[in-house]
Amino acid sequence: SQTIHQWPATLVQPVGSPLSLECTVEGTSNPNLYWYRQAAGRGLQLLFYSVGIGQISSEVPQNLSASRPQDRQFILSSKKLLLSDSGFYLCAWSGQGAVVAQHFGDGTRLSIL
Amino acid sequence: SQQGEEDPQALSIQEGENATMNCSYKTSINNLQWYRQNSGRGLVHLILIRSNEREKHSGRLRVTLDTSKKSSSLLITASRAADTASYFCATGSIQGAQKLVFGQGTRLTINP
Repeated sequence: SQTIHQWPATLVQPVGSPLSLECTVEGTSNPNLYWYRQAAGRGLQLLFYSVGIGQISSEVPQNLSASRPQDRQFILSSKKLLLSDSGFYLCAWSGQGAVVAQHFGDGTRLSIL
Repeated sequence: SQQGEEDPQALSIQEGENATMNCSYKTSINNLQWYRQNSGRGLVHLILIRSNEREKHSGRLRVTLDTSKKSSSLLITASRAADTASYFCATGSIQGAQKLVFGQGTRLTINP
């Protein structure tokens, strides 16, 4: 069966510090991968998605970036965090195809001080 | 951008009652999905309905889709305390293949 791992679960970082969140998927190959951010009590905002290694599509301009160095690894990064980067970050995967469900990790709660 | 809008934003009912949540959207879709999120956790996929389908069932869940009204409803029958969670609709379109656009969610509370 397929599993998705996302870590860390919580993270407290000072403003201006770098960020690296990692997400890995097991039990499937060539998945679509997604990074979302969720503000408190709100819906999900798609940040990045990837349909293959090295292929990243950005949905919103910001100081975050994403990379996919391996087929089942998706990394969210920032060189300098802003207060507005606080939130709940969720990684998800789906199979290939136009009509497929997405499967989510347990998220990372990021607090910027 | 948010596509789906859930209604109501919050719903509180007694255990055993049925819960109905609605979702409206603005643009053409090829599928609509419902997800559940327990507090502080990731989303769990519940059910997917394609644009050429009108109704779908899964256990105690019943989803309807009316593409002429650009709306969907999720019915949870015989609710249980464990159904307490936030519920989100998400839409997929041909133009935005591989992507889903999520609504703001309905916070459902089941009182024992």
